[in-house]
Amino acid sequence: DAGVTQSPTHLIKTRGQQVTLRCSPKSGHDTVSWYQQALGQGPQFIFQYYEEEERQRGNFPDRFSGHQFPNYSSELNVNALLLGDSALYLCASSSVNTQYFGPGTRLTVL
Amino acid sequence: TQLLEQSPQFLSIQEGENLTVYCNSSSVFSSLQWYRQEPGEGPVLLVTVVTGGEVKKLKRLTFQFGDARKDSSLHITAAQPGDTGLYLCAGVKSGGTSYGKLTFGQGTILTVHP
Repeated sequence: DAGVTQSPTHLIKTRGQQVTLRCSPKSGHDTVSWYQQALGQGPQFIFQYYEEEERQRGNFPDRFSGHQFPNYSSELNVNALLLGDSALYLCASSSVNTQYFGPGTRLTVL
Repeated sequence: TQLLEQSPQFLSIQEGENLTVYCNSSSVFSSLQWYRQEPGEGPVLLVTVVTGGEVKKLKRLTFQFGDARKDSSLHITAAQPGDTGLYLCAGVKSGGTSYGKLTFGQGTILTVHP
């Protein structure tokens, strides 16, 4: 049983560009959440998708958007990248009471 | 304002020592998870606690959820260099429509020296 997978592993972009990150949840999980983790800090909740709709959103600007597909996989899009968007982006899929995390995508904005 | 206060932020100890990491809040949580994270990787789940007063043991690790479900602790006995990593507590707030949104503490960076 594959766990949560994310792609790409690493990404380098320049300011102003747009980026798309991808996530496939654990088998049987229908809810996907995205988190941003700056270096040396705990992850911060961006948003959560369930039944192809954004169900809950954290304190992130509209530059951050997402999508969930019928097979429950998900994408995170970030427009007009800023230097401060450099971080590890984590995807998590949920079962009752517990979220399981993927390995993350390391985004560097130059 | 950090909803979950984790302490200490840094911990450097010798192999064989015991340690405790604390996770405190003024809010009630319906569940609380502890994760361990290696550099450049995603957090790996260690345990989930859901009942006030609950104690769970995982080999040399003991996790406790406070009676009021506002705090938790992680105790490691006879720490080993392999325990080195970032330890994160994360909770789902009780009530409302949190839909499982996790709120994380700042993390504790543990270094165990041989």
